[in-house]
Amino acid sequence: DSGVTQTPKHLITATGQRVTLRCSPRSGDLSVYWYQQSLDQGLQFLIQYYNGEERAKGNILERFSAQQFPDLHSELNLSSLELGDSALYFCASSPRDQSYNEQFFGPGTRLTVL
Amino acid sequence: GNSVTQMEGPVTLSEEAFLTINCTYTATGYPSLFWYVQYPGEGLQLLLKATKADDKGSNKGFEATYRKETTSFHLEKGSVQVSDSAVYFCALRPIGANNLFFGTGTRLTVIP
Repeated sequence: DSGVTQTPKHLITATGQRVTLRCSPRSGDLSVYWYQQSLDQGLQFLIQYYNGEERAKGNILERFSAQQFPDLHSELNLSSLELGDSALYFCASSPRDQSYNEQFFGPGTRLTVL
Repeated sequence: GNSVTQMEGPVTLSEEAFLTINCTYTATGYPSLFWYVQYPGEGLQLLLKATKADDKGSNKGFEATYRKETTSFHLEKGSVQVSDSAVYFCALRPIGANNLFFGTGTRLTVIP
């Protein structure tokens, strides 16, 4: 158990809908990262937050957004969902905003868009 | 740009066989290199890492050496066990960046 929790574990929804994925980092970790794992794109970095502020952006679509709250949990919002958004979404956390920190991954949220 | 090319799977081995999973990378400068493992139904766990050329990362009998001249970070284990069955991901973190770039993953199945 990495100490990173993600909810829900599974999510099934329809095209055009909007969903919110939630992540609680390890106690004391200030950085949160979101990754998408899909069959065709593999594991891709989406976005990083550090202590409430956006720190880095990867291949995140404009239909997707994220935020980190004062209690350091983070939410990833996916809107106007398409079939291709079906994937496993991972959250990871690390203590600081330093490149040498290890990232600890949560168990993921599996999103299925029908 | 930054990318990781990983040996295609799946790989099936008998218990106690020797394992090699190839990984090569493209990046500027000296990125940090990682191997992560994903057991069924779980998130990724860091297996080992190396942060500079010629460093050897090791953990649980697995080893990988950072080879700058061949831009490689191949994963090896001398004698695999059934419990090593999982998906293995090679990854890099560019200098000055916090995010990771992953390979496509290699599924390993070890049969008794």
